[in-house]
Amino acid sequence: EPEVTQTPSHQVTQMGQEVILRCVPISNHLYFYWYRQILGQKVEFLVSFYNNEISEKSEIFDDQFSVERPDGSNFTLKIRSTKLEDSAMYFCASTFGAPVSSYNEQFFGPGTRLTVL
Amino acid sequence: AQKITQTQPGMFVQEKEAVTLDCTYDTSDPSYGLFWYKQPSSGEMIFLIYQGSYDQQNATEGRYSLNFQKARKSANLVISASQLGDSAMYFCAMREKGTGGFKTIFGAGTRLFVKA
Repeated sequence: EPEVTQTPSHQVTQMGQEVILRCVPISNHLYFYWYRQILGQKVEFLVSFYNNEISEKSEIFDDQFSVERPDGSNFTLKIRSTKLEDSAMYFCASTFGAPVSSYNEQFFGPGTRLTVL
Repeated sequence: AQKITQTQPGMFVQEKEAVTLDCTYDTSDPSYGLFWYKQPSSGEMIFLIYQGSYDQQNATEGRYSLNFQKARKSANLVISASQLGDSAMYFCAMREKGTGGFKTIFGAGTRLFVKA
């Protein structure tokens, strides 16, 4: 069964460093998402990406965040200068087909745990 | 204002019994989707069930059913015949259209404990 994959599973970085979190969505999916989950808290929407551009972003997704689809398979989240409060689990998700309705099951990746020291 | 409210931070249920996890939502968009996800201790997000705002019937998927009461804006998850493996965090989520595309808003979650 096709699945969303994420690398690395755990990333440790120093405050102020740049990190890139990588995701490989399911191959025929068109719509991609990043979410974060601070330990013990709810899942928070960061950004959605469609047709090579951001289609929706939350207030959390400020200028230190960026997303990119550098090739036909990868979808990346870059945090330019990490802060302690960026420590969280980051989930990538993808959906099949264009967002013409409110339904499209999101397939989640296993997550990358980011620890900022 | 909270878009998705899950008022039960923790719930206990006896194995083989049914349990209802509450979820209320708030939106002015007539077209939306409601989801439930399970997050076991291993951390992955597992899709359980979906209900569209225009669906006339309550969604069911195996032991999971969604009690959709549109006028009350509630979408409670019912798990029948609970199993020990059902012990996990359960998130209610709503997908609605934002200013550009779609986004999914999650509730704070309910931790379910199934007792043997």
